Amino acid sequence: QVHLVESGGGVVQPGGSLRLSCAASGFTFSTYGMHWVRQAPGKGLEWVAYARYDGNYKRCADSVKGRFTIFRDNSKNTLFLQMNSLRAEDTAVYYCAKDPDTLMGTGFDYWGQGTLVTVSS
Amino acid sequence: DVVMTQSPLSLPVTLGQPASISCRSSQSLVYSDGNTYLHWFQQRPGQSPRRLIYKVSNRDSGVPDRFSGSGSDTDFTLKISRVEAEDVGIYYCMQGTHWPLTFGGGTKVEIK
Repeated sequence: QVHLVESGGGVVQPGGSLRLSCAASGFTFSTYGMHWVRQAPGKGLEWVAYARYDGNYKRCADSVKGRFTIFRDNSKNTLFLQMNSLRAEDTAVYYCAKDPDTLMGTGFDYWGQGTLVTVSS
Repeated sequence: DVVMTQSPLSLPVTLGQPASISCRSSQSLVYSDGNTYLHWFQQRPGQSPRRLIYKVSNRDSGVPDRFSGSGSDTDFTLKISRVEAEDVGIYYCMQGTHWPLTFGGGTKVEIK
């Protein structure tokens, strides 16, 4: 059974940094691409970033480019999102999501429960 | 970016009656491999999203057969044949053909 557990959320001041983690289990983590998706309070879903199965191919949304970095540790079955230069508009629940594909980022078949990031002074 | 436009925004439905949600994309969602990466997600109140339908019309395991997806190219539909109380929530379409991956704005299904 696929299980994704995010952690690392919290309250941070504008301009600050935070690192989110996503612990994966129930599948061969090193075989699948992984994503971060966020949802601002009362708003819709926004894709944030993707890392291919080996971590060597990554994509991210323009809204976070240059500030957020996705990376993964396949030896620990863990996905990360390093968030720097945080802004108020980054306030959201951040979900970790598994891609059904190995090589292509085409969607999400499993989601975690999410972790809340609040950027506020 | 590919813009995904859902309608309606809100969908009040009587229990046992059908419901239909439209999703239109600003570009064709047919990928070079021949697949169309258009998916549907359900988000119940207070829960994480859950995939219902993948690649236009394939139902995920455990999804009731009252849910069905159809469409092609830029025009897609999610149908619920007979709405039940547990179907209340927000439904999102999402395209995985083009970077960046994008979602529709969501359709809120509620019981009349």
